[in-house]
Amino acid sequence: EVQLVESGGGLVQPGRSLRLSCAASGFTFDDYAMHWVRQAPGKGLEWVSGISWNSGSIGYADSVKGRFTISRDNAKNSLYLQMNSLRAEDTALYYCAKDYSSGWFDAFDIWGQGTMVTVSS
Amino acid sequence: QSALTQPASVSGSPGQSITISCTGTSSDVGGYNYVSWYQQHPGKAPKLMIYEVSNRPSGVSNRFSGSKSGNTASLTISGLQAEDEADYYCSSYTSSSTLGVFGGGTKLTVL
Repeated sequence: EVQLVESGGGLVQPGRSLRLSCAASGFTFDDYAMHWVRQAPGKGLEWVSGISWNSGSIGYADSVKGRFTISRDNAKNSLYLQMNSLRAEDTALYYCAKDYSSGWFDAFDIWGQGTMVTVSS
Repeated sequence: QSALTQPASVSGSPGQSITISCTGTSSDVGGYNYVSWYQQHPGKAPKLMIYEVSNRPSGVSNRFSGSKSGNTASLTISGLQAEDEADYYCSSYTSSSTLGVFGGGTKLTVL
């Protein structure tokens, strides 16, 4: 079964850091680009960051550029998001998503269930 | 404000057809065929319904179809069913500094 399982969310104070993880199974992880997408409570979807299959291409939303770092470990079938200098507006459910194709950015065909990040003092 | 513009809500009766629009610019929707559509039921993760403007993933009903004209993409759902009631989001690759963008979402109500 194709599956993505996120972990690492929680309650954190403004200015602090958090690292999210996404464990992939059921497909050849290193064949595909991967992404993080977030959804603030009661709001719409926002693309956060993406990374190509070999980490050669990486992109970030303007709202997180310079604060968040995406990475992957193909040997461990895992995707990560290091979040620094967290702000209240980063509060959201963070989804890990698999890219549909082997290209850089196509569509998100597999989603995890998300991990909640709450930034509050 | 979202980068792609969608109507906040649409509605239709069972059996009818509805269309949801997604308007962007030549830097995203109009410039590339990487437009996709997602269905999200309350409390659930999004589900891919259409990719590359008009392609349906395996397992998605052929009642769902996508198209694009200029800077506007559209999702059409024919033969509306109660289970289609959900939020729908469009997404596109963009050549701007932000690699990917979503629309603000459209709430579909089946009357």
